[in-house]
Amino acid sequence: IQMTQSPSSLSASVGDRVTITCQASQGISNYLNWYQQKPGKAPELLIYDASNLETGVPSRFSGSGSGTDFTFTISSLQPEDIATYYCQQYDNLPLTFGGGTKVEIK
Amino acid sequence: QVQLQESGPGLVKPSETLSLTCTVSGDSISTYYWSWIRQPPGKGLEWIGYIYYSGSSRYNPSLKSRVTISIDTSKNQFSLKLSSVTAADTAVYYCARDGSWLQYWGQGTLVTVSS
Repeated sequence: IQMTQSPSSLSASVGDRVTITCQASQGISNYLNWYQQKPGKAPELLIYDASNLETGVPSRFSGSGSGTDFTFTISSLQPEDIATYYCQQYDNLPLTFGGGTKVEIK
Repeated sequence: QVQLQESGPGLVKPSETLSLTCTVSGDSISTYYWSWIRQPPGKGLEWIGYIYYSGSSRYNPSLKSRVTISIDTSKNQFSLKLSSVTAADTAVYYCARDGSWLQYWGQGTLVTVSS
């Protein structure tokens, strides 16, 4: 299953609402996760099953969607949110990731 | 808390076999699936495969002919072997817990394929 993320990069101001989309090449129900990866670090799970916030993750992060179209939102961008974000499906093997969205501060 | 730590050579010669081990602490390996994922420098994430404590494993078809993942429950470790490596296998290799939500990750280890 191919996962297409957009945009590949974005620049936004602190406090802005940021939205990233992920589209699956076929329906995957809600078997979709979102990760944050900071430079030189391993990815960290933020959202699982499309909309469930992992324990300890700030509530400004959220996810929605089902089937083929998914959205990841940062409600108010903070400086510490500078990272690359990946979606990942687990409906079918092999597990596959989107190409990533690099988020920068304007 | 659950911690994973990759170990193994950072440099492998072309055509040889890459071998890495992931040591799990804070959790029993006799639960969950355990995955390997890699990331070429400056690129995205690629799932390599996973193993269950029973020894049952599944691999990415793109690598299947060259990959073996094994598990040692007595040492709380699982391992990756990737044969016939080329420069295209140069990447940071991560181990992670589970085969659906990758909830815990190791810090990653860079493996460079070069003569």
